[in-house]
Amino acid sequence: AQSVTQLDSQVPVFEEAPVELRCNYSSSVSVYLFWYVQYPNQGLQLLLKYLSGSTLVKGINGFEAEFNKSQTSFHLRKPSVHISDTAEYFCAVKTAIGSGNTGKLIFGQGTTLQVKP
Amino acid sequence: DAGITQSPRYKITETGRQVTLMCHQTWSHSYMFWYRQDLGHGLRLIYYSAAADITDKGEVPDGYVVSRSKTENFPLTLESATRSQTSVYFCASSGSGTAGELFFGEGSRLTVL
Repeated sequence: AQSVTQLDSQVPVFEEAPVELRCNYSSSVSVYLFWYVQYPNQGLQLLLKYLSGSTLVKGINGFEAEFNKSQTSFHLRKPSVHISDTAEYFCAVKTAIGSGNTGKLIFGQGTTLQVKP
Repeated sequence: DAGITQSPRYKITETGRQVTLMCHQTWSHSYMFWYRQDLGHGLRLIYYSAAADITDKGEVPDGYVVSRSKTENFPLTLESATRSQTSVYFCASSGSGTAGELFFGEGSRLTVL
């Protein structure tokens, strides 16, 4: 079974400061990793994903994440945040193809990013 | 418009009543999912479907029923609603094989009194 742990439930940060949202996963097989963002009263939209290849993944809105297999982590970073980045962020994991993949995505508990002026 | 739509967006019901949340996607995606979102729990998978007439349980299936007679529709039914089922429900679909991202609807907020 897989699980995802987002280490911070809330992350307050000032505008234009850098931010890191932490995500650790647990799995005995190869996985795909995702970060989603949810703005208030909306559904989730994909920020970025790691399937294979380069461990540094770039996404939309200036976000990037680094896959670290040895530490089973997939932390999300942005060098300079804006007020508009205030939202809920979810890390998620899916079993890779060839490892019993069923297509389903398992989510972490979410991290609320609060960007202050 | 193409996409994934959920209805109703808001629903208030009473304990013991049957409620059905609808989900429709226009992409002909094979995979469809139902999640519930609760504070402190993130999103938890209720049921999913790999194709029409193929469904399977997720993490929290008790009290819910699904069907998928057509590829584009995936309704979720609460047979006898309980207060613990007060939540925001999200439908999602995925079409790029099992490695693909999930595309989410805007959610259905259900309140059980």
